[in-house]
Amino acid sequence: DAGVIQSPRHEVTEMGQEVTLRCKPISGHDYLFWYRQTMMRGLELLIYFNNNVPIDDSGMPEDRFSAKMPNASFSTLKIQPSEPRDSAVYFCASSLYNSPLHFGNGTRLTVT
Amino acid sequence: GEDVEQSLFLSVREGDSSVINCTYTDSSSTYLYWYKQEPGAGLQLLTYIFSNMDMKQDQRLTVLLNKKDKHLSLRIADTQTGDSAIYFCAVLSGGSYIPTFGRGTSLIVHP
Repeated sequence: DAGVIQSPRHEVTEMGQEVTLRCKPISGHDYLFWYRQTMMRGLELLIYFNNNVPIDDSGMPEDRFSAKMPNASFSTLKIQPSEPRDSAVYFCASSLYNSPLHFGNGTRLTVT
Repeated sequence: GEDVEQSLFLSVREGDSSVINCTYTDSSSTYLYWYKQEPGAGLQLLTYIFSNMDMKQDQRLTVLLNKKDKHLSLRIADTQTGDSAIYFCAVLSGGSYIPTFGRGTSLIVHP
């Protein structure tokens, strides 16, 4: 089992540009989560999916953020346009119902 | 909703025991987890305990759960410099699909 795979590991972009983060969950897991980690706020849940359907996106900070899960093995988190305050580490995690979350190694986003 | 609290820092000497504490608010918790995050990496599940248990031991790790006080602790025996990391407590409340995470405790191990 390769675990949750995220790409890219690092992303540096200029303010105003579009950023797309990618995630491949563990095969067979039916829940997928996107988190953001910063020093100020800690770990924040942005959105989660169940069987590819978005269930709760109340943590998405603004309309500039969007997430999709077109199939069971792929999800994206898009920021358009990006701003310096979006700089953070973004984690994807997957799980089965009532089971522990398995996290990817994250994408470190820097917006200049 | 659930609220999970942890102290932010803990400093210990190599070879000593470390105890990382966590408190939570929802008495209907079902599963309680400890995750470890090393620099530049994601959160890795260390261990977990069901709410009907008081204690769980796994090699150098001991988890204690006091349901009355809503207090969870993680004890690391013979702490090594490789144990330096951020440790997150997470609690799954009854009826919820999503665990609530604490802010994490940074464990610093001095040689």
